Amino acid sequence: DAGVIQSPRHEVTEMGQEVTLRCKPISGHNSLFWYRQTMMRGLELLIYFNNNVPIDDSGMPEDRFSAKMPNASFSTLKIQPSEPRDSAVYFCASSSFQAGTFSSYEQYFGPGTRLTVT
Amino acid sequence: GENVEQHPSTLSVQEGDSAVIKCTYSDSASNYFPWYKQELGKRPQLIIDIRSNVGEKKDQRIAVTLNKTAKHFSLHITETQPEDSAVYFCAACYNAGNMLTFGGGTRLMVKP
Repeated sequence: DAGVIQSPRHEVTEMGQEVTLRCKPISGHNSLFWYRQTMMRGLELLIYFNNNVPIDDSGMPEDRFSAKMPNASFSTLKIQPSEPRDSAVYFCASSSFQAGTFSSYEQYFGPGTRLTVT
Repeated sequence: GENVEQHPSTLSVQEGDSAVIKCTYSDSASNYFPWYKQELGKRPQLIIDIRSNVGEKKDQRIAVTLNKTAKHFSLHITETQPEDSAVYFCAACYNAGNMLTFGGGTRLMVKP
């Protein structure tokens, strides 16, 4: 298994530009998470999908951020327009979740996308 | 929502010594508590987890304890080695939610 795949690994863009981050979860996993990691704020959950449906997007900082999951094997996180304060490492993670059981909750993280907005 | 506090934020130990990292959580409904290790420039990876029906779990040099009454849990690393140097994150999750709330992280430095 290739694990969670993210692209690009690094992105440098200018303020005001649109940025799209991509994620392919582990095959068979039904939950997908987008996180943002910065020194100041640590690891923050942005949005959580279960079976391709957004369940909780309360962590999305503002309307400039949007996320989609058109199918079980692909998700995008878009920032439009980007700002310097969006500079961070963005992680995608996936898990296989069954409500009401003690089955595995382990979240498998992708390698991350390091975003720099100048 | 859940709030997870983690301390210390940095911890420096001598190789061979033990290290202890502590976390507290606020939501009594939380029932799953994983610990992740993140090496510099790498992704967080699960190293051990504990569920609320267990008070302690051990895996070689690492162990985790859970006190549900006090709502705190701890990571214990014995016989530390330089390769244990990393940032460690605790997290809490409740069964119905499947969402992890992470602590702020502890940077562990093991000096040879």
